[in-house]
Formats: sequence, structure tokens, C-alpha cells
Amino acid sequence: GQNIDQPTEMTATEGAIVQINCTYQTSGFNGLFWYQQHAGEAPTFLSYNVLDGLEEKGRFSSFLSRSKGYSYLLLKELQMKDSASYLCAVRVDNNDMRFGAGTRLTVKP
Amino acid sequence: GAGVSQSPSNKVTEKGKDVELRCDPISGHTALYWYRQSLGQGLEFLIYFQGNSAPDKSGLPSDRFSAERTGGSVSTLTIQRTQQEDSAVYLCASSLEARLEQFFGPGTRLTVL
Repeated sequence: GQNIDQPTEMTATEGAIVQINCTYQTSGFNGLFWYQQHAGEAPTFLSYNVLDGLEEKGRFSSFLSRSKGYSYLLLKELQMKDSASYLCAVRVDNNDMRFGAGTRLTVKP
Repeated sequence: GAGVSQSPSNKVTEKGKDVELRCDPISGHTALYWYRQSLGQGLEFLIYFQGNSAPDKSGLPSDRFSAERTGGSVSTLTIQRTQQEDSAVYLCASSLEARLEQFFGPGTRLTVL
């Protein structure tokens, strides 16, 4: 089966740092993606990891450990506009994509 | 166009009717995905097209669902004899290649009464 697990909800304070974890057990692995989805909108791409390690892009960073089936998305200097759902997705065999249920992040002033 | 477009944006239908949803991917993108998303839920993978290859249909929830992609571009997702549980937002995404980031369309909100 395909399991991608991430916390359902998280709350953080404006200006702080938050880490959203994702663990996966999938048939095959060809890369891990993070997407951001604001309520009522389509997902937008944030990051992509295929090798172990940290990928940094501005205030957002994503980490991958393939041996542990684990990734996290790190958001720094949180802003109110970062309130959204964050979706972890794994590309599995045949290039199919499997998404987690998403983590709803609420940023409070 | 500049992005992925989908039509219609909203569709209300009666139980038992057939519906067709359309996706226009970004020009030149070889990979095209269909997903559905129920309220407050994650994305459920439905089907994936890569170029002119036969699609992977393993994600389709039942034989009432089918999809085609004509000429490696526009795709239609057809749901026959719709049921109330088919109500969801249907999202289409395309990417330049299968291994690259996906660009999502705005989705079609389907409501089956």
C-alpha cells in the first residue's frame, strides 16, 4: 500500500519557525514534493527533493531522508499569508503521484 | 495559454447523469495528471498521461471513470452514471516531464444531487 502521513493541523506565531513533518511508506520512490494550497485554490509547488539532504529556497527549506522515509518542510519568519494547507507528495512507481492528506497551518499574530 | 485551464469551473448534475470535464495543459507539457479532492481532504490520484503512452488507470475509483488525452494535449475526464459520492473538486495538473514540478489548474467543482 501507499502511506503518506503528516499532521492534520499546526498552529504557529507570526515571525516564528515551524517544521511540518511527513513520513512515507510507498512502492518505489522517485522524488518527494511539497505543495502549498490556500483555501479554495489549487496547489502550488514549493519544493522537490530526490536526494538526501536539505534544499533551501528563501524562507522555505525541505529535508529528505530516504532511508528513514522522512521529510520535513521548514518555514522561517512566518507571515500571516503562510496560513494554508501544506501537502506532501511522493512520486512512486510508474511516476504516479501520491499525496498526503495535508497539514493545515494557522499563523497567529 | 499561460497556465493550466479547466472547464467547466462548476458543474451541478443529477445522480445517474454522465459528465465530461476538460483540461487544457500548458503547451509543451508532456505529463498530465487528474486528481480529485473532497472537502478538507488531500488529493486523490486518478490517472496519469505521459506523452502518447497508454495511461496508468490504476487510480480510477471505478469503471464509471474514464479519461483520454487527444493528440498529447487536451484531456477529458468522463464520469458515467454519476453518484453523490463523486461530488468533489477535480484538479488537473501538467508538467514538462513526469519528474518535474506540476502546475495545477483551478479545478472543476462537481456537485451531484
